[in-house]
Amino acid sequence: DTEVTQTPKHLVMGMTNKKSLKCEQHMGHRAMYWYKQKAKKPPELMFVYSYEKLSINESVPSRFSPECPNSSLLNLHLHALQPEDSALYLCASSQRDDEKLFFGSGTQLSVL
Amino acid sequence: LAKTTQPISMDSYEGQEVNITCSHNNIATNDYITWYQQFPSQGPRFIIQGYKTKVTNEVASLFIPADRKSSTLSLPRVSLSDTAVYYCLVGASGTYKYIFGTGTRLKVLA
Repeated sequence: DTEVTQTPKHLVMGMTNKKSLKCEQHMGHRAMYWYKQKAKKPPELMFVYSYEKLSINESVPSRFSPECPNSSLLNLHLHALQPEDSALYLCASSQRDDEKLFFGSGTQLSVL
Repeated sequence: LAKTTQPISMDSYEGQEVNITCSHNNIATNDYITWYQQFPSQGPRFIIQGYKTKVTNEVASLFIPADRKSSTLSLPRVSLSDTAVYYCLVGASGTYKYIFGTGTRLKVLA
């Protein structure tokens, strides 16, 4: 299994809602990543978990809260988002830091 | 962290070879160079990775000169389905901090 699975594929939420994005991989990778991508822009790194510990937070607002329950799962909890947070949210994993990244298909998020 | 510079866009015709160059002047000794392809509304997909000289796989070749300050992705005989954005990433040297540059938007014309 060489897939990274993200759910849901699409999400529409209001600014007062709480929602979660989920990411799962069964490749035994020990690093997992969240990226945010706006239309026609490159992916922007948000968070990195290494061996289930948060190792990188790229100064992301606290309305985004990552969680890594185990080595196969990565969540991104969303609360009180703004319309400008609408984007494609991508999850990725890698075995080590010099290995290739495997990306999921992303969650297209719209904040109304 | 090594910053990468690529052409913003390129056009090519079906059947031609396409070469996309990436500049990474401050690449570190331990950094690998990795190229990804991205279609709209999908996650980037790994194409090829190398450290020095030349690497070839079933879809592309990667040429890296001795000074490693640049690299060239070569796509042989492109088709319409190769229309995508191509990103060059330089390895994170133990930090996991993979930063995407602007990428190159390749358009293949019939």
